[in-house]
Amino acid sequence: KAGVTQTPRYLIKTRGQQVTLSCSPISGHRSVSWYQQTPGQGLQFLFEYFSETQRNKGNFPGRFSGRQFSNSRSEMNVSTLELGDSALYLCASSLGRGLPDTQYFGPGTRLTVL
Amino acid sequence: GESVGLHLPTLSVQEGDNSIINCAYSNSASDYFIWYKQESGKGPQFIIDIRSNMDKRQGQRVTVLLNKTVKHLSLQIAATQPGDSAVYFCAENKYNNNDMRFGAGTRLTVKP
Repeated sequence: KAGVTQTPRYLIKTRGQQVTLSCSPISGHRSVSWYQQTPGQGLQFLFEYFSETQRNKGNFPGRFSGRQFSNSRSEMNVSTLELGDSALYLCASSLGRGLPDTQYFGPGTRLTVL
Repeated sequence: GESVGLHLPTLSVQEGDNSIINCAYSNSASDYFIWYKQESGKGPQFIIDIRSNMDKRQGQRVTVLLNKTVKHLSLQIAATQPGDSAVYFCAENKYNNNDMRFGAGTRLTVKP
């Protein structure tokens, strides 16, 4: 089975712009979670989508949003970029049901905001 | 989110030695725990997990121990190899809730 894929792998934007990141989960996985990883804050949960609905949400401002399509692929969007949004954005997929529900991560998208 | 420092705890071991990486978790209601390994430039890779109804689980060269009394998790790596050099994270969550909470991570360096 192919793993979780994320595109693009690297992105450079300037303050005030917006960005859309894409994640394709492992085949058969219906849950997609997004995380932000920075040296200062570590790995922080952004949100989770399951069956095209946001099921869980972390403590991030409304500038961070996401969606999931019927094929389980997911996108996250960050509007009005700030310097502090520079980070590695990780996507993780899981079956979304059953116990336990192990998450598998993609390689991440490295976003740099100038 | 949790606030962690810029400097990760580090563990340096000699190749062939056993490694023990520790993690203190915060939520006594957490019932599922996972260890991930993250190499430079890559996403976290699943290593092993354990449910709260167990106190020990073994995999290939790895063992996870769970002490719910003191909310402590450890990862033991036997016969550590240079390829084990990475940052190791513990994560906790509750069943049916994918809001995983990650620890700060520990950087393991294996000296040949």
